[in-house]
Amino acid sequence: QKEVEQNSGPLSVPEGAIASLNCTYSDRGSQSFFWYRQYSGKSPELIMFIYSNGDKEDGRFTAQLNKASQYVSLLIRDSQPSDSATYLCAVLMDSSYKLIFGSGTRLLVRP
Amino acid sequence: GAVVSQHPSRVICKSGTSVKIECRSLDFQATTMFWYRQFPKQSLMLMATSNEGSKATYEQGVEKDKFLINHASLTLSTLTVTSAHPEDSSFYICSARGPRSGSVNEQYFGPGTRLTVT
Repeated sequence: QKEVEQNSGPLSVPEGAIASLNCTYSDRGSQSFFWYRQYSGKSPELIMFIYSNGDKEDGRFTAQLNKASQYVSLLIRDSQPSDSATYLCAVLMDSSYKLIFGSGTRLLVRP
Repeated sequence: GAVVSQHPSRVICKSGTSVKIECRSLDFQATTMFWYRQFPKQSLMLMATSNEGSKATYEQGVEKDKFLINHASLTLSTLTVTSAHPEDSSFYICSARGPRSGSVNEQYFGPGTRLTVT
């Protein structure tokens, strides 16, 4: 059973701070990793994907991947109240292109 | 960005009736579409994988005779919930994958359909 684990939170940070969201996965052969943001009652929205070890930056978001530790993280700099949402980590099963989702971490950014 | 639409966005039906949900990729051809279900405060659970022109592949525990999937074209997949019961009430979300800007592994989600069975 391939699994993706996330802390359910909520993670509460003050406005302007860095929010750090973490995700671990069980399948060592996984190659592609995705972060989605989901607002309450809405469908997930793709924020970033990462394939290679190291960091990938896009605006205020940085994804970090460590395949040896089977660990993916998402950093949100200068957090805004509008960033308050559930963040879903997903791992791609390459043979079938299925996404395996974690349970999500709820982020609350306090004004 | 890639746009995926779903219709209807919300539907209420009576127990025992069938409901059809449409998923369309609007600006790209989707070689594969996926159907998910999400219960309140839970994550997305994959129900089935739909490839254009072939039978859908269902996840373990999902009844293929109850959740009928048709992927008739590269831009349209439908999910029909047959003989719906209150326990089928959920948020149904489709996603589409296809070659776009060289990123073949990305999935883009539709806005979801909230089904309530009374």
